Amino acid sequence: QVQLQESGPGLVKPSGTLSLTCAVSGGSLSSSDWWSWVRQSPGKGLEWIAEIYHNGRNTNYKPSLQSRVTMSVDQSRNQFSLKLTSVTAADTAMYYCASAGYCSGGTCFDHWGRGTLVTVSS
Amino acid sequence: DIEMTQSPSSLSASVGDRVTLTCRASQGIHTFLNWYQQKPGKAPKLLIYGASTLHSEVPSRFSGSGSGTDFTLIITRLQPEDYATYYCQQSYNTPSTFGGGTTVGIK
Repeated sequence: QVQLQESGPGLVKPSGTLSLTCAVSGGSLSSSDWWSWVRQSPGKGLEWIAEIYHNGRNTNYKPSLQSRVTMSVDQSRNQFSLKLTSVTAADTAMYYCASAGYCSGGTCFDHWGRGTLVTVSS
Repeated sequence: DIEMTQSPSSLSASVGDRVTLTCRASQGIHTFLNWYQQKPGKAPKLLIYGASTLHSEVPSRFSGSGSGTDFTLIITRLQPEDYATYYCQQSYNTPSTFGGGTTVGIK
């Protein structure tokens, strides 16, 4: 059973860079085609941010965040990462990493980390 | 972006009730529609994918249907552990988008 664990600073200053890592255990990065980040602002709904193919060669980003977001994989450590630059209070959220497998022709988020709360504040 | 609209935003129901949640896409998405359950303080869990296929170990009282733009999640015989927020998500194209959620509360 694949397990995911997010890690990173819980507090980031405005205009700074949010950096998160998701460690994958119970399977390799190649056990899922895509790996994603989803966030949830306090009391709000879910927002897909970005995804990366397991070999790191393809990425997709939410268009409204594309200029600020970067994902990468570290196959040697079996983990993937998210960087979000120029953060504002609007980026305060619970950040989840998830695996995105192929499900009936589409993709679905079949495994999730527990989430890590990131607050943007001075 | 494809907009996903869920209704109602919240409802109250009793244990044993049949509950119907709906999700509408702003354009046709075939059956590339997934449902998730989220409990307070927890990560979402995949319930149904491909509009109607139950994920592993999901109880059979959950069912999904629909195609194109209109989708339904039905919970027959609501159980105490089913009180949660339910989200639909389209995977027809990128960016993937979620509905605003339906919270099922205790009546």
